[in-house]
Amino acid sequence: EAGVTQFPSHSVIEKGQTVTLRCDPISGHDNLYWYRRVMGKEIKFLLHFVKESKQDESGMPNNRFLAERTGGTYSTLKVQPAELEDSGVYFCASSQEIGDSPLHFGNGTRLTVT
Amino acid sequence: GNSVTQMEGPVTLSEEAFLTINCTYTATGYPSLFWYVQYPGEGLQLLLKATKADDKGSNKGFEATYRKETTSFHLEKGSVQVSDSAVYFCALIRRNNNDMRFGAGTRLTVKP
Repeated sequence: EAGVTQFPSHSVIEKGQTVTLRCDPISGHDNLYWYRRVMGKEIKFLLHFVKESKQDESGMPNNRFLAERTGGTYSTLKVQPAELEDSGVYFCASSQEIGDSPLHFGNGTRLTVT
Repeated sequence: GNSVTQMEGPVTLSEEAFLTINCTYTATGYPSLFWYVQYPGEGLQLLLKATKADDKGSNKGFEATYRKETTSFHLEKGSVQVSDSAVYFCALIRRNNNDMRFGAGTRLTVKP
């Protein structure tokens, strides 16, 4: 089965610009998550979708971040306008069930804001 | 709240050396515990997991035992290889939700 795929793998943008990251979860996985790792620190939770609904968005840092999952398939994470502190690696993950099942992660998108 | 603390790196070892990466956690209830690994240029991969106290997770020669009394889940391998060079993340997940919490990651470099 195809794994979680993320696009682009790298993005370099200037402060104030907009960037949209995309995540395609494993087919059939209702649960989709966004995480990010900033400056070599811990990987932090951003939000959790169950199908097209936002189950938990408590980790979203501010209103410059907007995540969508129309139709409950792929998801996008838009940063507008980007700031320097948004630089990091953004991971997407999916899982079939809530509970003990591990999350399946994509390769991440490395975002650099200059 | 729930959190994970793992030993800071980087860790540099010679091939065939013994590896321990410490991980302790703070959580309400009884979380499931995981070790993920990120090889250069790749995404996070599940390495092993344990879902209850005294469980031992193992994979590729790595082991970790869920110790409730010490709230720890230390990662060990008896003889590391160059191919084990990667960043290792300890993580927990509470039952009934998928709010997975990660440690800061430990970069391991194994030299021939």
